[in-house]
Amino acid sequence: AQSVTQLGSHVSVSEGALVLLRCNYSSSVPPYLFWYVQYPNQGLQLLLKYTSAATLVKGINGFEAEFKKSETSFHLTKPSAHMSDAAEYFCAVSASDTGRRALTFGSGTRLQVQP
Amino acid sequence: NAGVTQTPKFQVLKTGQSMTLQCAQDMNHNSMYWYRQDPGMGLRLIYYSASEGTTDKGEVPNGYNVSRLNKREFSLRLESAAPSQTSVYFCASSAGQGMSQPQHFGDGTRLSIL
Repeated sequence: AQSVTQLGSHVSVSEGALVLLRCNYSSSVPPYLFWYVQYPNQGLQLLLKYTSAATLVKGINGFEAEFKKSETSFHLTKPSAHMSDAAEYFCAVSASDTGRRALTFGSGTRLQVQP
Repeated sequence: NAGVTQTPKFQVLKTGQSMTLQCAQDMNHNSMYWYRQDPGMGLRLIYYSASEGTTDKGEVPNGYNVSRLNKREFSLRLESAAPSQTSVYFCASSAGQGMSQPQHFGDGTRLSIL
């Protein structure tokens, strides 16, 4: 069965600093991987997705993520943090081994951006 | 530009009461989902509907029932609410049944059970 581990429930960076949010997955078959962002009192919005076309995936708002099969990782990065990036970020995996066409989410990482 | 609409946005229930959470999407999506979000646990799938007329259990289905009323609407029912069902509930939809299809989420229903 598939699973997702997000390392660090809270990450704090200064405005302008590099953002790195970590995600490791477990799947017995090639996965599809997603990053979502959740702003307060809102639903989840898709940031980017990996579907095997390219290992480096660019998303909205300047975020990108790199799929590394050897490390089973899909870390999210942004070169320079903005105050508006403060939110909760969820990594999710979708794989066919369960036969269930739905996402398995990590527990989330709350990003705080300090002025 | 409504996307996925959930009603109500907030609700307080007493233990043992019943309630139906409504969800509708206007994107002509085939698949719809119900998740619950609890602190530190991410989102967990309750039920999903791969297409109109079908529903399947997810990770945490106990205490819930669903109805895929038509292609647009997917409701979640709590027959006898329990305090453990206090949570934020999200409905989502996706275009197809493929694994690569991203899901689109509503803004959630915040449910408290006293």
